Amino acid sequence: DTEVTQTPKHLVMGMTNKKSLKCEQHMGHRAMYWYKQKAKKPPELMFVYSYEKLSINESVPSRFSPECPNSSLLNLHLHALQPEDSALYLCASSLSTRTGGPSGNTIYFGEGSWLTVV
Amino acid sequence: LAKTTQPISMDSYEGQEVNITCSHNNIATNDYITWYQQFPSQGPRFIIQGYKTKVTNEVASLFIPADRKSSTLSLPRVSLSDTAVYYCLAYQAGTALIFGKGTTLSVSS
Repeated sequence: DTEVTQTPKHLVMGMTNKKSLKCEQHMGHRAMYWYKQKAKKPPELMFVYSYEKLSINESVPSRFSPECPNSSLLNLHLHALQPEDSALYLCASSLSTRTGGPSGNTIYFGEGSWLTVV
Repeated sequence: LAKTTQPISMDSYEGQEVNITCSHNNIATNDYITWYQQFPSQGPRFIIQGYKTKVTNEVASLFIPADRKSSTLSLPRVSLSDTAVYYCLAYQAGTALIFGKGTTLSVSS
């Protein structure tokens, strides 16, 4: 099973709302990632968690707050977003952040959560 | 992080072999080359990964010359369902995947 599950698939929220995106994997992976993808653009890295600790924050605005409660779950808390934050948010996971090594540390992506900020 | 360059778009017909070349002139010794496929409104899907020479799986082949400054993804006998964006990435262990612009492949009947 190489599945990364993201919920909800679609989310519409107002600029004053607080909502969360959730991501779950049961592959024993210890690295998890959040990416943001705008239409017709490549995915952009937002955050990386390694062994439940935040290891990379790509200068993401504080209105996006990641959380990794355990090794299987990754959340992205959203607050006071802007319309330009509307995008596809992708979660991914891998065995560890040592991707590309001889162990073939493939990164697996979920199907994404479509976020619309109104 | 190695920067990759690939064609913005390619067109093909069903049944043809498609070769997408990726340039990575600044690839580092520890970099691996990996390719992902992405359909509209879906997450990227891993296709193939290699370090040098040739790698083949049930979906594609990856050719990497000895100097490793480029690589070629080969898709045999494409079908309409292979229409997608294909990303070439060169990266080091310990870092995350950083996507470039990708190649939009359009397959027609």
